[in-house]
Amino acid sequence: EDKVVQSPLSLVVHEGDTVTLNCSYEVTNFRSLLWYKQEKKAPTFLFMLTSSGIEKKSGRLSSILDKKELFSILNITATQTGDSAVYLCAVEMNYGGSQGNLIFGKGTKLSVKP
Amino acid sequence: NAGVTQTPKFQVLKTGQSMTLQCAQDMNHNSMYWYRQDPGMGLRLIYYSASEGTTDKGEVPNGYNVSRLNKREFSLRLESAAPSQTSVYFCASRLTGNQPQHFGDGTRLSIL
Repeated sequence: EDKVVQSPLSLVVHEGDTVTLNCSYEVTNFRSLLWYKQEKKAPTFLFMLTSSGIEKKSGRLSSILDKKELFSILNITATQTGDSAVYLCAVEMNYGGSQGNLIFGKGTKLSVKP
Repeated sequence: NAGVTQTPKFQVLKTGQSMTLQCAQDMNHNSMYWYRQDPGMGLRLIYYSASEGTTDKGEVPNGYNVSRLNKREFSLRLESAAPSQTSVYFCASRLTGNQPQHFGDGTRLSIL
């Protein structure tokens, strides 16, 4: 059975801390791994990873994929209260067409205290 | 700059009632998706449409039907609502297979 597992499920830190969120997966025909941030409403896209070992960065956020060990991490440095959200990891499988569907993990709820 | 628009935002139904959730995107995307999000379950795919004129079942299609009305619009219908369908429903769209899915703000649906 295809699955995506995120850990921890919840995390409380203080402003300025650095956090690492984990995502492991077991899927057939892996195509890409995506990270989304969900505050109150729509999940918003952060990163799409397709190749092992290549770090993607956006400001204080970065992510990397290990296709051999089947996991990805999302790092957030110098956390701010605005980083409080649920972070979703999703894996897209390769069906050979353009409609590869996403399997989501349950998310990590991050709370950043002032 | 609307992106993906879902209507309504909230709805309360009685068991057995029918309802259509609407989704429209203005990004000229080819593929569209319907998900449900339940506490502790993550997002699960209900139906998707790879392109205009095609629809396919996802992980949890039972109790739902969809229509890809044109390239912009993809609707989700509950023919006879059940309490187990109480959830937050998200619509998403994507341009191509190398692009991420973009999500609407969701419809919170309660069935009594």
